[in-house]
Amino acid sequence: SQQGEEDPQALSIQEGENATMNCSYKTSINNLQWYRQNSGRGLVHLILIRSNEREKHSGRLRVTLDTSKKSSSLLITASRAADTASYFCATGSGAGSYQLTFGKGTKLSVIP
Amino acid sequence: DSGVTQTPKHLITATGQRVTLRCSPRSGDLSVYWYQQSLDQGLQFLIQYYNGEERAKGNILERFSAQQFPDLHSELNLSSLELGDSALYFCASSVGLPYVEQFFGPGTRLTVL
Repeated sequence: SQQGEEDPQALSIQEGENATMNCSYKTSINNLQWYRQNSGRGLVHLILIRSNEREKHSGRLRVTLDTSKKSSSLLITASRAADTASYFCATGSGAGSYQLTFGKGTKLSVIP
Repeated sequence: DSGVTQTPKHLITATGQRVTLRCSPRSGDLSVYWYQQSLDQGLQFLIQYYNGEERAKGNILERFSAQQFPDLHSELNLSSLELGDSALYFCASSVGLPYVEQFFGPGTRLTVL
């Protein structure tokens, strides 16, 4: 079953614009991670935010976490064509295990 | 390049057959995870090994099995294959707690005809 649900399912923007993707989850978490996947390829870890953090930055990425609403958002600023990919949120679960439960992803298209 | 390698990249086989997918984790990583990605089910966690021992099981069918060897590489065995098993199979590795970021391999695309 899916823990995280991303919204929107697809997003198309012009190069230079900002892209915002949202993720909602159902159960309590220790951390939430965002991954990127270029078409048919492996996932790349982008950023991790812990449950006691509210915001985190990494380069052009900004992630927020609202544990009261069980939601997170990923903002990509000044988007580039190379940002075209699917973006997944994933929550860690399981004592001592931390297997990831993924949402279905947001497919981002950045038009040059 | 994540440092995780998977072989083969592509595999085409027939229903009822058995295949083995191989994964080598990043140097120093003790945990190996297997995931299945299909269009209808999305990314699903299958199984995790930590330093040779099974640590967690997810949505793994009884026809599937895995193991992690002393050199930490892992194999996922899929048997009695069905058309619905066609998917991308990813291996990921991580150092282990408290570091929970996972590093994914390029995947093996399995096509069952």
